[in-house]
Amino acid sequence: EMQLLESGGRLVQPGGSLRLSCAASGFTLTTYAMTWVRQAPRKGLEWVSTISVNGRGIFYADSVKGRFTISRDRSSNTLYLEMNSLRVEDTAIYYCVRPDYGDYVGLLGYWGQGTLVTVSS
Amino acid sequence: VLTQSPLSLPVTLGQPASISCRASQSPVFSDGYTYLNWFHQRPGQSPRRLIYKVSNRDSGVPDRFSGSGSGTDFTLRISRVEAEDVGVYYCMQGSQWPLTFGEGTRVEIK
Repeated sequence: EMQLLESGGRLVQPGGSLRLSCAASGFTLTTYAMTWVRQAPRKGLEWVSTISVNGRGIFYADSVKGRFTISRDRSSNTLYLEMNSLRVEDTAIYYCVRPDYGDYVGLLGYWGQGTLVTVSS
Repeated sequence: VLTQSPLSLPVTLGQPASISCRASQSPVFSDGYTYLNWFHQRPGQSPRRLIYKVSNRDSGVPDRFSGSGSGTDFTLRISRVEAEDVGVYYCMQGSQWPLTFGEGTRVEIK
């Protein structure tokens, strides 16, 4: 059974850094395009970043471009989101999401339980 | 941009409900498919996809849920609302960058 388990969320001060992890099990992470989606408290869903199957296609929302970096590790089957220069408005639950198959990011069918990032002084 | 309406929907148990999602441009991908999806999120839970590519129900989704639409106008319908259907519903397009979600429609029981 496939599973996505996010971790790394915590309280951090504005301007700080954080790395989120998403441990995948039950499938090989690098055979799917993987996406991070976030949800601020009592707000809607916002796409953050996607990495393609071959790893060369990397996409970011304008709100995080230049501050966040998506990556993955084949040996540990883990997806990462490196977050720098954090702002109060980055406070959110961050979900790791897998499509139904391959590079079809339009079919975000599998969601982790999320990890909470709080940016506050 | 995806615009949902209404943003709040009080419904009576057993009655139908309908949510609209209007796209600023047609979410047709280069392969000819329209990657317009619907998600349901209960409080404290991750979103769960109900409908993919406009009208295809996900496995395990009750057949009281249906999706339709074309071009820039899409609709999620619940034929008879049950208590477990409360929560927030989001449309999402996966055909163009950036991927976008609608604002969400909160469904509650009257």
